[in-house]
Amino acid sequence: DSGVTQTPKHLITATGQRVTLRCSPRSGDLSVYWYQQSLDQGLQFLIQYYNGEERAKGNILERFSAQQFPDLHSELNLSSLELGDSALYFCASSGTGANTDTQYFGPGTRLTVL
Amino acid sequence: GDSVTQMEGPVTLSEEAFLTINCTYTATGYPSLFWYVQYPGEGLQLLLKATKADDKGSNKGFEATYRKETTSFHLEKGSVQVSDSAVYFCALSNYGGSQGNLIFGKGTKLSVKP
Repeated sequence: DSGVTQTPKHLITATGQRVTLRCSPRSGDLSVYWYQQSLDQGLQFLIQYYNGEERAKGNILERFSAQQFPDLHSELNLSSLELGDSALYFCASSGTGANTDTQYFGPGTRLTVL
Repeated sequence: GDSVTQMEGPVTLSEEAFLTINCTYTATGYPSLFWYVQYPGEGLQLLLKATKADDKGSNKGFEATYRKETTSFHLEKGSVQVSDSAVYFCALSNYGGSQGNLIFGKGTKLSVKP
């Protein structure tokens, strides 16, 4: 158990809909990262938050957005969903000090868009 | 930009065989290097890491040495078990180039037969 939690585990929805994925980082970790894993694109970095502020952006679509709340949990919002958005979405967190570069992953949310 | 290349799978071995999964990287500066493992239906688990040249990461019988001269971080295990069947991902983190997010290889699926 990495200490990172994600909900829900599975999500099935229709094209055009909007969903929210939730992540709670390990206790004390300030950074949260979101990744998308799909068969064709592999593991792709989407976005990073650090202590409530956006820190870095990767290959995140404009239809997607995220935020990190004062209690450090994070939400990834996906809107106007398309079939191609079906994927596993992972959240990871990292801490401070010597292990700041080590990311611990949650179990993921499997999104299916029908 | 930074990138990771790892050997294509799948790799099929008999129990107790020797394992090597090749990984090479391209990066500016001095990245940290990681191997993550994903068991069927689960999230990513950190297997081992190395943060500077000639460092050797090790865990659960797996080893990898950070070779800057060959920009490689090959994963090895002397005697694999059926329980090692999983997908293995090589990754780098480079605060100098990628602002700390992980860049992953495409993954190598390992199947170990009894």
